[in-house]
Amino acid sequence: DTAVSQTPKYLVTQMGNDKSIKCEQNLGHDTMYWYKQDSKKFLKIMFSYNNKELIINETVPNRFSPKSPDKAHLNLHINSLELGDSAVYFCASGEGATEKLFFGSGTQLSVL
Amino acid sequence: GIQVEQSPPDLILQEGANSTLRCNFSDSVNNLQWFHQNPWGQLINLFYIPSGTKQNGRLSATTVATERYSLLYISSSQTTDSGVYFCAVVGRGYSTLTFGKGTMLLVSP
Repeated sequence: DTAVSQTPKYLVTQMGNDKSIKCEQNLGHDTMYWYKQDSKKFLKIMFSYNNKELIINETVPNRFSPKSPDKAHLNLHINSLELGDSAVYFCASGEGATEKLFFGSGTQLSVL
Repeated sequence: GIQVEQSPPDLILQEGANSTLRCNFSDSVNNLQWFHQNPWGQLINLFYIPSGTKQNGRLSATTVATERYSLLYISSSQTTDSGVYFCAVVGRGYSTLTFGKGTMLLVSP
């Protein structure tokens, strides 16, 4: 049983397209996150949701729109993809700021 | 925001060797975690250790919160230990993890 699962694993698309990444967790956590890992492996928080409500938006362009239909799901929709959006996107979940974080397996996005 | 520095940036070991990875942080923290990113890209939580010492098999970690550092020890390293090790903290007044740049470890047979 995968605790945090995200799909797809790989996403190759053209500039200007719109794409979505889905994430689901079965750990019963209230808080879910999206992280971006750049080509130098640096991990940076993008969004944090607590029980379907947006808590953190780390100055991410508004082309990125997270959506949480329920506390077990946090999807990421990206409009008008740009070359600089190429990265690995990780979904994660946890019980809050003082608890362990569990990551999904990542989605490698390549914008051509 | 809080600064997280990891050292060394790269490390090459022979199988069987021991190593110590260090994480320094610039402010008080209420959460510190160590992660291993394996060569397939998967991020695995190794330790949740805002203070004290924990051990899990060949790995152990110590955080001295008052001196703002944490150490990850790997003993009798194996090729499967290769990958990038990240330290991440939640600074006082914040609610999300800030990651260091990682230590890339290569264990050769």
